[in-house]
Amino acid sequence: QQQVKQSPQSLIVQKGGISIINCAYENTAFDYFPWYQQFPGKGPALLIAIRPDVSEKKEGRFTISFNKSAKQFSLHIMDSQPGDSATYFCAASEAGSAGNMLTFGGGTRLMVKP
Amino acid sequence: DAGVIQSPRHEVTEMGQEVTLRCKPISGHDYLFWYRQTMMRGLELLIYFNNNVPIDDSGMPEDRFSAKMPNASFSTLKIQPSEPRDSAVYFCASSLWVNNEQFFGPGTRLTVL
Repeated sequence: QQQVKQSPQSLIVQKGGISIINCAYENTAFDYFPWYQQFPGKGPALLIAIRPDVSEKKEGRFTISFNKSAKQFSLHIMDSQPGDSATYFCAASEAGSAGNMLTFGGGTRLMVKP
Repeated sequence: DAGVIQSPRHEVTEMGQEVTLRCKPISGHDYLFWYRQTMMRGLELLIYFNNNVPIDDSGMPEDRFSAKMPNASFSTLKIQPSEPRDSAVYFCASSLWVNNEQFFGPGTRLTVL
């Protein structure tokens, strides 16, 4: 099974700080890289996604940085807020092939301290 | 739209009993996914359907697990017989096409005693 490795497993950040979560993948055929956010007792929800034709995508305080040659991508949360406290999952998928599905990283539990 | 609907939200059962989890995907979505989430193994894809047809069930842990999608608006995941190691949160998700956004339901928390 294709793997996506995510780090760190947990992260504590002060309010106003920058949260950074990293993911690495092996399959060079992956071409869609979403990040999902999950609050306790809820299902994951899409936060932001990127395709490898760009190196960065920004939506509000959330930015994905993508390094195709290193096969790595990361989520940056600027000005982190207590309301950002959640579990974050990176994922990847390969378009156009049978069994096209999302492979999730192991998750990062983020706590933003007030 | 109400989003993906799952029932029950919580299920407590005893080892050996049959458990049936239910899912109603978002209307118009043609892909449906079943996931299992545990602390140890994270989020695992069990099976997914396209237009009600099972496409990949390689993630189904063993023959005790089965899934069906009799129509576009309903799917079930059945565990028979259930075991304590099946305790987890089971999510259903749907999407318009497989490489697009997946919308997750609220999950069913299963506890097998």
